[in-house]
Amino acid sequence: GAGVSQTPSNKVTEKGKYVELRCDPISGHTALYWYRQSLGQGPEFLIYFQGTGAADDSGLPNDRFFAVRPEGSVSTLKIQRTERGDSAVYLCASSRDLNSPLHFGNGTRLTVT
Amino acid sequence: AQKVTQAQTEISVVEKEDVTLDCVYETRDTTYYLFWYKQPPSGELVFLIRRNSFDEQNEISGRYSWNFQKSTSSFNFTITASQVVDSAVYFCAPWMNAGNMLTFGGGTRLMVKP
Repeated sequence: GAGVSQTPSNKVTEKGKYVELRCDPISGHTALYWYRQSLGQGPEFLIYFQGTGAADDSGLPNDRFFAVRPEGSVSTLKIQRTERGDSAVYLCASSRDLNSPLHFGNGTRLTVT
Repeated sequence: AQKVTQAQTEISVVEKEDVTLDCVYETRDTTYYLFWYKQPPSGELVFLIRRNSFDEQNEISGRYSWNFQKSTSSFNFTITASQVVDSAVYFCAPWMNAGNMLTFGGGTRLMVKP
């Protein structure tokens, strides 16, 4: 079946602009996670959803970052007033339920110039 | 807070050698899960294994094996008879009940040369 799909695969934006990153999880997976991976580092947790609600957003670095999952399926990560330090690969993952393996998408590579 | 240490940042071996990737974690939980993921040069994270902290039996899957030692909080990963296609970054990631999330280590980059 289809895996986790993330769009766009690459995004280049200018400092100060607003961006949206989209994640389509595996059908039927209730849990959805966003991670951020900088070059040479392991993925860092940002936020996770159980259904429609954000169950834990403790990893969001500041209030410029926001994520939604209005219908419990597709999620959008939104970044306002982007900064060069936001440049990274943003990874989305979904799982059937808590403790089940996370299935990751290929990520969106965000470059802020 | 939970912490994961993958002390080996890079390992280079020649094809057919065996190689062990170390993982040490810290937790206050009595029950938890442990995961390993592989990230090949193409970038996607591939799930390899999940172990429950109750089960300390070593596990073997083809050329892969895992040694879980709860007493030393280690979950090491061995690749037997390595192949060039094993070249990737490998991440150890504990799942702690308190956080309901994976916490990734810094990863170990494995380079297998022909």
